Amino acid sequence: GAGVSQSPRYKVAKRGQDVALRCDPISGHVSLFWYQQALGQGPEFLTYFQNEAQLDKSGLPSDRFFAERPEGSVSTLKIQRTQQEDSAVYLCASSLGVGDEQYFGPGTRLTVT
Amino acid sequence: AQTVTQSQPEMSVQEAETVTLSCTYDTSESDYYLFWYKQPPSRQMILVIRQEAYKQQNATENRFSVNFQKAAKSFSLKISDSQLGDAAMYFCGLGTYKYIFGTGTRLKVLA
Repeated sequence: GAGVSQSPRYKVAKRGQDVALRCDPISGHVSLFWYQQALGQGPEFLTYFQNEAQLDKSGLPSDRFFAERPEGSVSTLKIQRTQQEDSAVYLCASSLGVGDEQYFGPGTRLTVT
Repeated sequence: AQTVTQSQPEMSVQEAETVTLSCTYDTSESDYYLFWYKQPPSRQMILVIRQEAYKQQNATENRFSVNFQKAAKSFSLKISDSQLGDAAMYFCGLGTYKYIFGTGTRLKVLA
């Protein structure tokens, strides 16, 4: 079946603009995760959903970052008033359950100019 | 706090040879998973191997195996019979749902 998909694959934003990044998890996967991967680093956890409930948002760097998953499937990561330090690859992952293997999407590369 | 350390930024291996990637970690959790993911230039993170920390037996997946030393908090990855397609960034990590990753090791495979 289809894997995790993310759109757009690339996004260029001017500093101060708002952006929305979309994640389509594998069908039937209850758990969904967002990670941020800076250049030359490993992914860093941002937030976690179980169905539509956001159970952990401890990794969100500031209140400019907001994530939602209103119907328990597709998720959107929104970044308001983007800044240069927000430039990174944003990875989405999903899993059947909380302790199961996480399947990653191809990521969205965000460049803030 | 949980940490994962990969001390080898880059490794090279001749095709068909064996290479070992190092990983050490620190955690106060009693139950967690350890894993290695591969990230080729396409950016897609692909699970290579995963092990539950309470299991003593080292996990194996075809040419990939781990050496898990719980007391030493070490979780190294051995790749046997290396192939050109193994060239990628390899990330070691731990966690239950909130994954913590190391900074990665770039593996080059020489023909």
